[in-house]
Amino acid sequence: DTAVSQTPKYLVTQMGNDKSIKCEQNLGHDTMYWYKQDSKKFLKIMFSYNNKELIINETVPNRFSPKSPDKAHLNLHINSLELGDSAVYFCASSQEGIYEQFFGPGTRLTVL
Amino acid sequence: QKEVEQDPGPLSVPEGAIVSLNCTYSNSAFQYFMWYRQYSRKGPELLMYTYSSGNKEDGRFTAQVDKSSKYISLFIRDSQPSDSATYLCARDAFFSGGYNKLIFGAGTRLAVHP
Repeated sequence: DTAVSQTPKYLVTQMGNDKSIKCEQNLGHDTMYWYKQDSKKFLKIMFSYNNKELIINETVPNRFSPKSPDKAHLNLHINSLELGDSAVYFCASSQEGIYEQFFGPGTRLTVL
Repeated sequence: QKEVEQDPGPLSVPEGAIVSLNCTYSNSAFQYFMWYRQYSRKGPELLMYTYSSGNKEDGRFTAQVDKSSKYISLFIRDSQPSDSATYLCARDAFFSGGYNKLIFGAGTRLAVHP
């Protein structure tokens, strides 16, 4: 049983395009996150949602727009993709008040 | 200055060696420290966490926090090729409303060769 799943796993696109990544968790958690991991493996939080409400927004360009239709889903839409957006994007979830976060398998985004 | 500093390696050791992975952090106000393991092309998974100072042991793994020197360590005894992965240290950071976020180090790539 997959706990945190992401689609697609790989995404290759041209600069200037708009793309979306989807995340779903079946752990019953109420907090979800988006992280960006660059080529040097540095993992940095972008957004966090708790019960569909945005609680963390870490100075991410407004080309990135997260959306949580319900507490089991968190999507990320990226407008006008740039070369520097190439990275692996991880979704994660946790139970409120618990420090352990469960990560998805990642979406490897390549912008050409 | 990054909030959590970690040597990216790579670190290459023979099977059976004792491995020491280390991080330093800059803010002593935090209580929870974690080690995540990330295999190639996979998401990170929590390996161990410690609260405040002291040691915590789980099988071949020992996590240690020294708050006086702001040092976090992970020791792996009798290392195995299956331990080859990137190890990320992290600390908690409180956020408004009682929520928390994690601040990660850059990760240390470990290779254990037979």
